[in-house]
Amino acid sequence: QSALTQPRSVSGSPGQSVTISCTGISSDVGVYNYVSWYQQHPGKAPKLMIYDVSKRPSGVPDRFSGSKSGNTASLTISGLQAEDEADYYCCSYAGSYSYVFGTGTKVTVL
Amino acid sequence: EVQLVESGGGLVQPGGSLRLSCAASGFTFSAYAMNWVRQAPGKGLEWLSYISSGATSRHSADSVKGRFTISRDNGKNSLYLQMNSLRAEDTAIYYCARDLADFNKYYFDYWGQGTLVTVSS
Repeated sequence: QSALTQPRSVSGSPGQSVTISCTGISSDVGVYNYVSWYQQHPGKAPKLMIYDVSKRPSGVPDRFSGSKSGNTASLTISGLQAEDEADYYCCSYAGSYSYVFGTGTKVTVL
Repeated sequence: EVQLVESGGGLVQPGGSLRLSCAASGFTFSAYAMNWVRQAPGKGLEWLSYISSGATSRHSADSVKGRFTISRDNGKNSLYLQMNSLRAEDTAIYYCARDLADFNKYYFDYWGQGTLVTVSS
């Protein structure tokens, strides 16, 4: 199973919006609505930000949103804040209790 | 409060073995599927292995199939990863993560802090 494709980096100024894409294939992102997104600050464990493509766990700010079209899922951070600077990984269920992660995107707040 | 605490990492020679543990607390461990995920230095996340709540179903990534074995002891609220025939490319931080698969939800809602495995002579 090949890793899902994400841009290496995206950046934006405080208050702006950034979108991270996550491209898979028809046997993972394209067929399952089980895309999740994780935020990881340096030296820390990943944290769940989005699940089931667009649902937010309790405690995650509503400026984080997710969507999917075809084989590509997206994470949008609106109203970018300094604390949003981190690495972000998408993940898709790939069937038979297996998962595939994205390559990861570094978000920089300018 | 849900807590997952990994242990057992360290320095091991190529070809060697290591057993990682993940101690769970703050939830009914026997009701949840669990996974191991790793992250090589400066690299991305890689899913490794899944085990169902009752250990009746296990699945692993091709990269570790035949070398790594996931197991659990629900009586001890613990998850394990037996790693054999270790290679330099297995050097990584290893995380355990709780899975909602037994509830027909497929994502990792809680993660441990990770344990570092270094494979080097």
